[in-house]
Amino acid sequence: DIVMTQTPLSSPVTLGQPASISCRSSQSLVHSDGNTYLSWLQQRPGQPPRLLIYKISNRFSGVPDRFSGSGAGTDFTLKISRVEAEDVGVYYCMQATQFPLTFGGGTKVEIK
Amino acid sequence: EVQLVESGGGLVQPGGSLRLSCAASGFTFSSYAMTWVRQAPGKGLEWVSAISGGGDVTYYADSVKGRFTMSRDNSKNTLYLQMNSLRAEDTAVYYCARDYQWLVRCAYWGQGTLVTVSS
Repeated sequence: DIVMTQTPLSSPVTLGQPASISCRSSQSLVHSDGNTYLSWLQQRPGQPPRLLIYKISNRFSGVPDRFSGSGAGTDFTLKISRVEAEDVGVYYCMQATQFPLTFGGGTKVEIK
Repeated sequence: EVQLVESGGGLVQPGGSLRLSCAASGFTFSSYAMTWVRQAPGKGLEWVSAISGGGDVTYYADSVKGRFTMSRDNSKNTLYLQMNSLRAEDTAVYYCARDYQWLVRCAYWGQGTLVTVSS
């Protein structure tokens, strides 16, 4: 199984300041079709998860452009350019390149 | 608008069975693979199973293989998860989720249904 490791576990951020979350996979996420099926999800308190970013850097429908994804191979990053109050929650990376699908342990973004 | 509504959760004794349903609307159900993901109280996300649009191909996490069966009725736009031999560690909120496109999993989520396994 592919192990997804996220850092940090927690990220206290001042409103309006940037935040960055890292995700590392135990093996390359490049699929045989050439795509990399790495997604980022946000889970606000009491809510189901929500897809933010797919295939490393593509913003999903309705996702603000302050969210961006980057990376390649085994190392990936989610950045929030200016954190807003509604961004509080837990962020997960997820790989769908091969079964079993696996998630990172989550990073809690909170306001200082 | 894509809508996914889970139901069927509840309290069940260890060793018991439960069947979850996920009613889908707002899209052509048979065109999309679907996934079940669970979240134990206060914990992270755990993939459970996935099924192809036609229902002929299924995948399971090792933790549920042989105990859980995922299926779908495309005529009823409904996804199912039959859970047998339930254990305390199966206690979680169970979410159904829909693909966005090929291998872009879990793009749309339901609100979840809570399963509690306890005596």
